[in-house]
Amino acid sequence: DTEVTQTPKHLVMGMTNKKSLKCEQHMGHRAMYWYKQKAKKPPELMFVYSYEKLSINESVPSRFSPECPNSSLLNLHLHALQPEDSALYLCASIQGEMGAGGATGELFFGEGSRLTVL
Amino acid sequence: EDQVTQSPEALRLQEGESSSLNCSYTVSGLRGLFWYRQDPGKGPEFLFTLYSAGEEKEKERLKATLTKKESFLHITAPKPEDSATYLCAVQEWDNAGNMLTFGGGTRLMVKP
Repeated sequence: DTEVTQTPKHLVMGMTNKKSLKCEQHMGHRAMYWYKQKAKKPPELMFVYSYEKLSINESVPSRFSPECPNSSLLNLHLHALQPEDSALYLCASIQGEMGAGGATGELFFGEGSRLTVL
Repeated sequence: EDQVTQSPEALRLQEGESSSLNCSYTVSGLRGLFWYRQDPGKGPEFLFTLYSAGEEKEKERLKATLTKKESFLHITAPKPEDSATYLCAVQEWDNAGNMLTFGGGTRLMVKP
């Protein structure tokens, strides 16, 4: 069983809607990630939060807005999305020792939120 | 730029037919190589981490090995429940934020 919990599991939204994806972990991990995965493709990194601060933004369009309210929670706010944004959105956190170069260790993924934009 | 290539893209096996999946990588300094299993519509499930050439790890019917240029995931006497996509990913020492560079995956189908 994964210890990274994502909600909702499925989301259907129109291009004018505003919605949010949520992620929660209680393993004490200090780095959390958002990935996007299209069918039959590997996950693509979107954002990295380290100690609740945004450390990496992989040139993601502003219609995706991440938020890290505390060390256990990670949100992804969605607004004015396009149909091509339909994908599986994965949250992950990293176990391991935090050092100058970031944490070393395994990334643990949630089950994902399947987003469909109509 | 990091490169991770997995082969084959798809593999069909009969139950009990052992085989290997390959992950070739090009990085300036390997921090870790990770294997994940992913079922359709689910998040990747962590399997193994390998840190240095010569290292091997086993879990049930799976065994992962690492050389300086590639990693193999050996599947011994697979069962239908081993059917999934297997992803490998590498982490580089110069990599801020611990980004993983994923390979394209191998879709494994094991028929009874």
